[in-house]
Amino acid sequence: DIQMTQSPSSLSASVGDTVIITCRASQSINTFLNWYQQKPGRAPNLLIYAASSLQSGVPSRFSGSGSGSDFTLTISSLQPEDFATYYCQQSYAVPRTFGQGTTVEIK
Amino acid sequence: EVQLVESGGDLVQPGGSLRLSCAASGFTFSSHAMNWVRQAPGKGLEWLAYISSRGDTIHYADSVRGRFTISRESGSLFLQMDSLGPEDTAVYYCVRETSIFGVVISGNWFDPWGQGTLVTVSS
Repeated sequence: DIQMTQSPSSLSASVGDTVIITCRASQSINTFLNWYQQKPGRAPNLLIYAASSLQSGVPSRFSGSGSGSDFTLTISSLQPEDFATYYCQQSYAVPRTFGQGTTVEIK
Repeated sequence: EVQLVESGGDLVQPGGSLRLSCAASGFTFSSHAMNWVRQAPGKGLEWLAYISSRGDTIHYADSVRGRFTISRESGSLFLQMDSLGPEDTAVYYCVRETSIFGVVISGNWFDPWGQGTLVTVSS
């Protein structure tokens, strides 16, 4: 199975900050990498697919990059509604494994 | 509007069975692979099962293989869960998979997700 490792596991940031979350796959997954946002008590929501494509309706302050085994999610100018948990997921192979999540908290 | 609505979550005793359903609407159900994903209380996301658009390809996570069965029929997705244990306590999500394989973009992704249904396994 492909293991996905996110870092950091949690971070504290202020409104207006730029936040970078990294995700590393245990093997090359090309650009078969997706990012999801989950708020407490809610289902996850797709942010980025195929490593860098922004899902329709998602604010442009979210961006993704990377290929192979190293990926990043960048949130520019953090907004109050962005405080949530973020998960990466590989879709290169089955099982479609997720990272352990990164919780973005208010500083 | 594309929508997935799960049902069937309940309190069940260890060793028991439960059948989850997911009603799909707003898209051509037969054109998409579907998945089940769960989330134990306070934990991360765990992919459980995949079924292709025609139902002829199925995959399971090791943690549920042999106990859970995914299936689909006109507009609905199902998850039959047998031999349930406390470790199966979680919110279960039904998820649509979209796949594109092109020159510019290739990938598979989960969108949308249902609202989730809670399964509690306890005596």
